[in-house]
Formats: sequence, C-alpha cells, structure tokens
Amino acid sequence: AQKITQTQPGMFVQEKEAVTLDCTYDTSDPSYGLFWYKQPSSGEMIFLIYQGSYDQQNATEGRYSLNFQKARKSANLVISASQLGDSAMYFCAMTATGFQKLVFGTGTRLLVSP
Amino acid sequence: GAVVSQHPSRVICKSGTSVKIECRSLDFQATTMFWYRQFPKQSLMLMATSNEGSKATYEQGVEKDKFLINHASLTLSTLTVTSAHPEDSSFYICSARATIQETQYFGPGTRLLVL
Repeated sequence: AQKITQTQPGMFVQEKEAVTLDCTYDTSDPSYGLFWYKQPSSGEMIFLIYQGSYDQQNATEGRYSLNFQKARKSANLVISASQLGDSAMYFCAMTATGFQKLVFGTGTRLLVSP
Repeated sequence: GAVVSQHPSRVICKSGTSVKIECRSLDFQATTMFWYRQFPKQSLMLMATSNEGSKATYEQGVEKDKFLINHASLTLSTLTVTSAHPEDSSFYICSARATIQETQYFGPGTRLLVL
C-alpha cells in the first residue's frame, strides 16, 4: 500500500519569497509517480508537477520545482517567488504500479502575505 | 494541460431525489475516470474507478447502489447519487486519465447540498 505524509498543516510566506512544502511517501513498489496539486478556495484541483520514480532529474515547471530525494522518500514542492495567487491548499499524491489510484496526503494550506 | 469539465457546479436538491453529475474530458480521450468525495477541510477520498465500457470499481465502504457510475464513452462519465439524503451533501470531484499518461486531470467539482 502507498502512503503520503504531509506534516505541515499550514505555511506562511511573504510575497516574492520561496517556500518549501514537505511531502514524504511510502511504497514498496519500484515504479511510482509523485504529483502535486493545488486547490484554491474554488475547489478545483490544479495539476502542478509530476516526478517519476525513475526520473534522473528533479522536475520543474515554471516557478514550481520538485525536490526529489529517493533515498529519503521525500518529494518536497518548492515554489519560488511566491505570489498572492499561490494562497491555496496543496496536496501531494502518488500512484504506484498500474498507475491507477492516486493516494493523497492531508494537504498543506499556504498563505502568501503581501 | 488537459481540460476536464464537470456539470453542474452546484446543485441543491430535496431529500429522496436523485442527482446526476457529469464529467467530461474535453480535449483528450479518457480511458479511466475517477470519482472523489471531499469533506470540508479534508483530503480527497476516492469513491470509484471507472474504465470505459466496463463496470466501475468501488472503494471499500462506498455503496454501489447509492452511487451509480456510468462510463459510456471515452469522454464522459456520470455519477448518479440515488435517493440523496443530507449526509450525501459534499463536494464531488472527478478526474480523468488518458491511456498513455499517468497524470490525472481534475474537473472543477460539484457542490451537492441535500435538504
């Protein structure tokens, strides 16, 4: 079984600063995928970034980067140059063999202040 | 990214009625669609996995007869909440995944309120 742990219920950051949202995972499958989604107050789940377990390089998408440390089983999301619009819930998730189910963490609420 | 629509975005209904929620993949063919439920301030809970042309696979504890799922085409899946009761009030959100992709793309969600 797969498990995602997000230990930060809430994070605060000032506009234009960088912030790291923590995510650790547990799986016995050698092949898996790690995802980050953003959920603003409107409720939609916005896909941010994906990292495959066999990817050699850390994934990056614009201001988002995923700090993938396989030995530590961590997949932290780094948001650079935070913007007010980044305030939202952020969920870390993973799929394993078969890439069917997404297992979600409990989420981290990020608040960006001016 | 891929676009998934969901309709309606909000619905209020009387107890005992049935409500149908549609999930459509607009610019890709989704061989697999997923239905989730989310309670306030909680994470998403997978209800069922739906593969086109076959019966949905429900998660443990989810009533098949209560939450009817149909995935009749590669772009449309529907969730029908039958004989809805106030405890069914929740945020329902679908996602879709194409065959060659691993990423699930989510619809905007449906807020259901049963009076």
